Amino acid sequence: DAGITQSPRHKVTETGTPVTLRCHQTENHRYMYWYRQDPGHGLRLIHYSYGVKDTDKGEVSDGYSVSRSKTEDFLLTLESATSSQTSVYFCAIRDARGRGDEQYFGPGTRLTVT
Amino acid sequence: EDQVTQSPEALRLQEGESSSLNCSYTVSGLRGLFWYRQDPGKGPEFLFTLYSAGEEKEKERLKATLTKKESFLHITAPKPEDSATYLCAVTSGTYKYIFGTGTRLKVLA
Repeated sequence: DAGITQSPRHKVTETGTPVTLRCHQTENHRYMYWYRQDPGHGLRLIHYSYGVKDTDKGEVSDGYSVSRSKTEDFLLTLESATSSQTSVYFCAIRDARGRGDEQYFGPGTRLTVT
Repeated sequence: EDQVTQSPEALRLQEGESSSLNCSYTVSGLRGLFWYRQDPGKGPEFLFTLYSAGEEKEKERLKATLTKKESFLHITAPKPEDSATYLCAVTSGTYKYIFGTGTRLKVLA
């Protein structure tokens, strides 16, 4: 358990509304990631962060933005939600202690856009 | 293009019936290959990291092996509680992790 929590755990929202998902970690990890998981696709990277205020895009970043103002919090914002963004969203950290390449995941947020 | 392919997509086993899951990968400069277990409604749970061909890792009834082109997750004498989706991923750097679509394993009592 890498001390990762996500909120909310479930959300239903309407098309066109902004939505913010929160990832919180308690172990001071530098690297944090946001993924989405959809049937028939592997986990796909949306955005990642390599430090406070240091973020970059992943492979499916269109329509999403992120912010990291504190080490422990990584926020994912859907600027104007669309039905194609209905998905399960996972936050992850990379444990850079030791050789440090494995990722640990939060419990996920199930988002439905109607 | 970096790619991970897992097979089979789904597997049903009787309790005690050993088998293997396959993860074939193409990546420029493998830094690590990872196996995860994912239960319904939960986040992936880290199992193993393999770094170089010939490496093996074991945990209870699971054993992961790595060659230059693929990895196997061997399940010996599985139990119903081993039922889950098993994910494979590779990385060539600090941010780029490529995941397969997983193998859904069902172990029948």
